[in-house]
Order: sequence, then structure tokens, then C-alpha cells
Amino acid sequence: QQPVQSPQAVILREGEDAVINCSSSKALYSVHWYRQKHGEAPVFLMILLKGGEQKGHEKISASFNEKKQQSSLYLTASQLSYSGTYFCGTDATDSWGKLQFGAGTQVVVTP
Amino acid sequence: DAGVIQSPRHEVTEMGQEVTLRCKPISGHNSLFWYRQTMMRGLELLIYFNNNVPIDDSGMPEDRFSAKMPNASFSTLKIQPSEPRDSAVYFCASSSDGPKAPQHFGDGTRLSIL
Repeated sequence: QQPVQSPQAVILREGEDAVINCSSSKALYSVHWYRQKHGEAPVFLMILLKGGEQKGHEKISASFNEKKQQSSLYLTASQLSYSGTYFCGTDATDSWGKLQFGAGTQVVVTP
Repeated sequence: DAGVIQSPRHEVTEMGQEVTLRCKPISGHNSLFWYRQTMMRGLELLIYFNNNVPIDDSGMPEDRFSAKMPNASFSTLKIQPSEPRDSAVYFCASSSDGPKAPQHFGDGTRLSIL
């Protein structure tokens, strides 16, 4: 039931782009994205509701393909501050509000 | 505005002792979630409340764990008796509208059971 995230880790140079994928085996109502820095709490980035909408936060955007139960997070022109672990949380249509989090994707942005 | 407040931030105790973790959600939020995070198992939902009522406690590991929400501004997670494998970071999060709203996490309680 836990969504599958890929890749597990990615190293970027400042200014480069990256894509993080999140895939679920269940029909989804929404997908949440969070970023967690070492020793800190997860911080909300964005929610995507079924309907395939795309959202953005600074130069971070995401899409949601409800037919494929997949979401992707796009890091564009990465900044040092983008370093951290990114988690997707999926809310299945039969589990109102109960998020299942993926294992996370560690992102390291270097100068 | 104050975020989700958890206490204590750190707890070190010996195996067999009772541990109580506390959480104050953001005012006006009607959903509250308790999570546990470990390297091995990642971020796991233990229990969540909606309007102070437990909705799903299927993630609670065993009977040694219990959670209460006596009112809209306070929740506790209790472990009795504690075991070394309970060592983890425990997060409390709250949201305003279930699946449509972001979850705001507290700073967590880092629990070590010796």
C-alpha cells in the first residue's frame, strides 16, 4: 500500500533539473508532497487532487495522473535550499485523509 | 500563528517505563495525526483523529500504544511499557480539512528507550 518513489537519491549541481516519481497501486484521491531536511519536520509543498492538475511552488512543480495513479515532482533550476528528502503521501479513495508515505527521495544539490 | 507544538522534544528513558508524548494542534484544525519515523520503516501513520474522534488506529503497533484526544487542542500518545524498539522520532501533524488540506507537522519528539 505504500507508494513507490524513484529514484532513491539524486545528486544535482545548482541550476540542474530533476524529476521524482511516485507510484501507487491504489486509486487515489490526492497526492501530497513534503520536503524534510535533516533533523527537522516534514514541510508541506503541495497537494494535487484527482483531476490531473499541475501545481507549483517556487520552481518546484508537480503533476498527477490519476489514471496511472502516479505523480511526479519537478525540481527546476535547483537551488542549494532544495536539498533534503522528498516524500510523497498518497490518499487512496477508500481511506479518507489517511496518508501513506513513500520511502523518500534524498536530493543533494551541490554548488 | 503558532504551529503544531509537541513536547517533550527529546525523551530518554529506560525500558519498561511509561512514556507520554504531547501535542497541541494548530487552532481551528479538526484533524490530528500521529506518525512515527525510523530509518528502517520510514514515516508511518499510527493513528488519526477527526473532530477529536479516533478514525483509524490500524497503524498502532500493539496494545502498549494508546492515544487520546480529550479536546480540540490537546492529544497524547502513550507507550506503556516502553521497549527499545519503540525508539524513533514521533511526529504530530494537524490539518484543517482532511485529505484536501496540507498536514502541518510539529518538530517531533526524539524518543530513545534504553
